[in-house]
Amino acid sequence: GQSLEQPSEVTAVEGAIVQINCTYQTSGFYGLSWYQQHDGGAPTFLSYNALDGLEETGRFSSFLSRSDSYGYLLLQELQMKDSASYFCALNDYKLSFGAGTTVTVRA
Amino acid sequence: GAGVSQSPSNKVTEKGKDVELRCDPISGHTALYWYRQSLGQGLEFLIYFQGNSAPDKSGLPSDRFSAERTGGSVSTLTIQRTQQEDSAVYLCASSPRDSFTDTQYFGPGTRLTVL
Repeated sequence: GQSLEQPSEVTAVEGAIVQINCTYQTSGFYGLSWYQQHDGGAPTFLSYNALDGLEETGRFSSFLSRSDSYGYLLLQELQMKDSASYFCALNDYKLSFGAGTTVTVRA
Repeated sequence: GAGVSQSPSNKVTEKGKDVELRCDPISGHTALYWYRQSLGQGLEFLIYFQGNSAPDKSGLPSDRFSAERTGGSVSTLTIQRTQQEDSAVYLCASSPRDSFTDTQYFGPGTRLTVL
């Protein structure tokens, strides 16, 4: 099966940089995805890594190292609207999600 | 056109009753997924459709849960004889094709409360 671990909570101030780590155990997967979910809302796609290395999408970057079974999501220039839950998920046509990291951005 | 829609947005039912949850995927999306999210938890996979077929039902927690998809579009998740542990948000997602890298687009979910 699949299992993923990520920190439960992170708090940071506006303008700061936050890194959310995700470690996983799996028998096989195609890539690692990241989704954002605001309170009471639908999860929305942020980033996907099929290969090792860094993917950059605006203020958000994601990294994958298959040899270390590890990935992270980097949130730069934090804004209040970035307060949300962030989930890493293993892709093998379906998504297997971690429990999520709640990011709180303070003024 | 519009995104994934789900109905009802909220459903309160009594233990032992049956419920039906509906998902309208994005037009043209062939893959459809159901997930369940309990309070403060990640999403748990339930079932995957490709067209009208369900090649993976491995996440359905018991035989009280079933789902169908018709016309390659609308899907219905049915829970029979609901139990309190079924209380959760049920999320539907669709993606354009059967690709392992495709983004999944989620609906707003149905919040089910079993009293």
